[in-house]
Amino acid sequence: GAVVSQHPSWVICKSGTSVKIECRSLDFQATTMFWYRQFPKQSLMLMATSNEGSKATYEQGVEKDKFLINHASLTLSTLTVTSAHPEDSSFYICSTREGESNQPQHFGDGTRLSIL
Amino acid sequence: GEDVEQSLFLSVREGDSSVINCTYTDSSSTYLYWYKQEPGAGLQLLTYIFSNMDMKQDQRLTVLLNKKDKHLSLRIADTQTGDSAIYFCAESSTDKLIFGTGTRLQVFP
Repeated sequence: GAVVSQHPSWVICKSGTSVKIECRSLDFQATTMFWYRQFPKQSLMLMATSNEGSKATYEQGVEKDKFLINHASLTLSTLTVTSAHPEDSSFYICSTREGESNQPQHFGDGTRLSIL
Repeated sequence: GEDVEQSLFLSVREGDSSVINCTYTDSSSTYLYWYKQEPGAGLQLLTYIFSNMDMKQDQRLTVLLNKKDKHLSLRIADTQTGDSAIYFCAESSTDKLIFGTGTRLQVFP
């Protein structure tokens, strides 16, 4: 069964709206979760590493104020795309891993975000 | 920085074997992974191999690792139409995964 639940699976909204995406770890407690962005027919780009109880670590070029990450519990991380614009339209995927680094990451089913 | 490369496309006949290749540059990679992505979906972990292993087999899947050449392959035996998807290899030496460009596998009857 699914290890990671991501919600919603598809969002269409107007420009200027803020959108929240949830990522839940179902089978284990996850101190670390990851947020990726995928453009059509391209690979995954790591946006940020979400750490439970502390600030997220953002990759170079990713705007912290645009993509707000909150990891308030050991099973839930959220990504909020603030004041979304059409260029933010993309496929966003989260992942979790159990235990130490280098353990396999398990991915959610992704959220397709379309900004009109 | 680290780089992971894959061929973009592979087409095979149903019942044949598929071999998807991947090369990487990070000599300190500790784990290497294969993920499958179907249209509009997330990534499904297929298998992974520790860098001190040469081969790992799991049912129809065989992973070969040539650490000297930094070359990883995934062989799918008796390929089925349900195997049509994009396959990503990924490597990690730290907390982060570095993904390849993805190989689109098309299986025809």
